[in-house]
Amino acid sequence: NAGVMQNPRHLVRRRGQEARLRCSPMKGHSHVYWYRQLPEEGLKFMVYLQKENIIDESGMPKERFSAEFPKEGPSILRIQQVVRGDSAAYFCASSPLNQGAPQHFGDGTRLSIL
Amino acid sequence: KNEVEQSPQNLTAQEGEFITINCSYSVGISALHWLQQHPGGGIVSLFMLSSGKKKHGRLIATINIQEKHSSLHITASHPRDSAVYICAVPSIQGAQKLVFGQGTRLTINP
Repeated sequence: NAGVMQNPRHLVRRRGQEARLRCSPMKGHSHVYWYRQLPEEGLKFMVYLQKENIIDESGMPKERFSAEFPKEGPSILRIQQVVRGDSAAYFCASSPLNQGAPQHFGDGTRLSIL
Repeated sequence: KNEVEQSPQNLTAQEGEFITINCSYSVGISALHWLQQHPGGGIVSLFMLSSGKKKHGRLIATINIQEKHSSLHITASHPRDSAVYICAVPSIQGAQKLVFGQGTRLTINP
């Protein structure tokens, strides 16, 4: 049973480009969470999704960031017109349907903006 | 907002030593998580506990709900235990939204 799969592991973009980060949850998991870890800082919640629904996006920056979890395929975190401050590690986690179940984390995508 | 404080921020010890990492939070919770982040960056969920004590191998996690405090212990520490250990609790805005401590960077020297 594969764990949470994130790709790419490393992504380099120039300022102004778009970054697309993908997350495939564990088999049987219908909840996906995205977290961001800025350099030398702790993890911060960004967004919580279920299939085709955004449940809580209170941690998402107001502009340039969007997330989706379509009926088919992985969850996508999209950052438009990237800036240097977007450089961070982005982690995805998933959990099954039942409330309070532990979240399983992926290995993260390290985004570097040149 | 639930505030999470971990101590110490950094801890260096010799192989074989007993390790304790502490976590305090400000608002009552349903469960607390301990995570491990290795130098390569990946995150592993170690424990989720809501009361008492849990043990897995050389790792032991305890929680005191009344005192809003949890500890992670490592017995017979080994250099491969070197990692950042992170405590996380649910936000008061939603149980699925985790609030994280800053992490404790543990280094075990041979």
